[in-house]
Amino acid sequence: DTAVSQTPKYLVTQMGNDKSIKCEQNLGHDTMYWYKQDSKKFLKIMFSYNNKELIINETVPNRFSPKSPDKAHLNLHINSLELGDSAVYFCASSEDGQGKNTQYFGPGTRLTVL
Amino acid sequence: LAKTTQPISMDSYEGQEVNITCSHNNIATNDYITWYQQFPSQGPRFIIQGYKTKVTNEVASLFIPADRKSSTLSLPRVSLSDTAVYYCLVGGYMEYGNKLVFGAGTILRVKS
Repeated sequence: DTAVSQTPKYLVTQMGNDKSIKCEQNLGHDTMYWYKQDSKKFLKIMFSYNNKELIINETVPNRFSPKSPDKAHLNLHINSLELGDSAVYFCASSEDGQGKNTQYFGPGTRLTVL
Repeated sequence: LAKTTQPISMDSYEGQEVNITCSHNNIATNDYITWYQQFPSQGPRFIIQGYKTKVTNEVASLFIPADRKSSTLSLPRVSLSDTAVYYCLVGGYMEYGNKLVFGAGTILRVKS
C-alpha cells in the first residue's frame, strides 16, 4: 500500500485554467503539507494542515487554495494558472507538527503550464 | 529558522565511504537535524535524524559535534544506487507547525 499518494502524476494545461491535485495518506497522521519544487530543485513549503486546520501558510498567491476534507486528505486547487506555476508539487504527511517527526512524501505531481 | 549550507555536489566511487557536511550556525535549542534523500522523479525520503552526538541506523550515521553548529552524514560503502540529492534540514516544534526548510541539497554522484 502506498503511504502518501498523489493524483495525477503529470498535469499539462494551458495558462488561465483551473486545476486540482489530490493527496491522500493512509498512515493515520495528523499533519499534511504541500511543497513546491522548482527547476533548480529547491523545495519550498507552501501549506501545512493539522487535523484539517491550516497551520502554515507561506507567501503563496491566493490563486492556490488547499482544502482538507478530512485529516487523511489535503487537496490543492490552483486558479488561473500561470507559466511560473510549472513545477513539481509534493504532498507530505507527518505524525504531528513537531520538528522531530519524519515527513513522508508522495511521488510528486509534475505540473506544466503552457 | 536555521539556515543550512551544504556542498553543491560530491563525486565518489563504489565502495567508498562518503561524508557530507552541513553547516547550521544558528540552530536553535529545540531544533533537530534531519537528512533526506531524493532520487530523480521521486519525493524526498527520510534517512536519519539526530539531536546531538552520534546516531546510526541501517543506512547511515550522523555525527553532531557538541556545539551542534554542523553535522555530518556518513554513508558507508556507497553503491551506484546511492546517487541522489541529499538534503540537510533543521527544525523543531513550532507553535504553528513543523516548518522544515530545505536547502539546495548536495548532489552525490557515485561512479563505478
